[in-house]
Amino acid sequence: GGIITQTPKFLIGQEGQKLTLKCQQNFNHDTMYWYRQDSGKGLRLIYYSITENDLQKGDLSEGYDASREKKSSFSLTVTSAQKNEMAVFLCASREANTEVFFGKGTRLTVV
Amino acid sequence: GDSVTQTEGQVTVSESKSLIINCTYSATSIGYPNLFWYVRYPGEGLQLLLKVITAGQKGSSRGFEATYNKEATSFHLQKASVQESDSAVYYCALSDRGTSGGNYKPTFGKGTSLVVHP
Repeated sequence: GGIITQTPKFLIGQEGQKLTLKCQQNFNHDTMYWYRQDSGKGLRLIYYSITENDLQKGDLSEGYDASREKKSSFSLTVTSAQKNEMAVFLCASREANTEVFFGKGTRLTVV
Repeated sequence: GDSVTQTEGQVTVSESKSLIINCTYSATSIGYPNLFWYVRYPGEGLQLLLKVITAGQKGSSRGFEATYNKEATSFHLQKASVQESDSAVYYCALSDRGTSGGNYKPTFGKGTSLVVHP
């Protein structure tokens, strides 16, 4: 089995700050995802990457950047944190025709 | 685009009673998707509960069952007798079959929070 590790687990930022979330997977999966999870809104796709150095925008990419530095890692940057924003960001990965595996999430609070 | 619609909000059930969480899907870009139920228990990460990749087949796990109904485009989650430990958030999802040029974006429903009372 493998694991997806997200760091940090909790992130507190200030309004306007640039914040970076990191994700590592040891499944050797090609495809990786960043989702935002909000209560009542489900999982919304921010960015995904189908291979190293590839980036594809999801439905919620505005206000975010992403980087797939190597096959095992995928980082997400909040370009300018919004005051009172609270959300959980989930990193995930999969191979074609299999289920998605998720990390445990990074909980963001902006003060 | 593709979409998943499931029972919204919170569902409250007494222990030992039956449960059904509805899920219907639209897979216009994929046509014949793989279907999944994911679950997030309190304090844990989102994980796969069950999956079915063939229409007409039933998947099961931890006492839960779901049948892939291609005609009705449904994938309802059922359990005959729930337990307090089943309290969690459940997500229905679909994805492509990974063929060349396929859709790399799994689609999730908004989640259903199940609360089981003793």
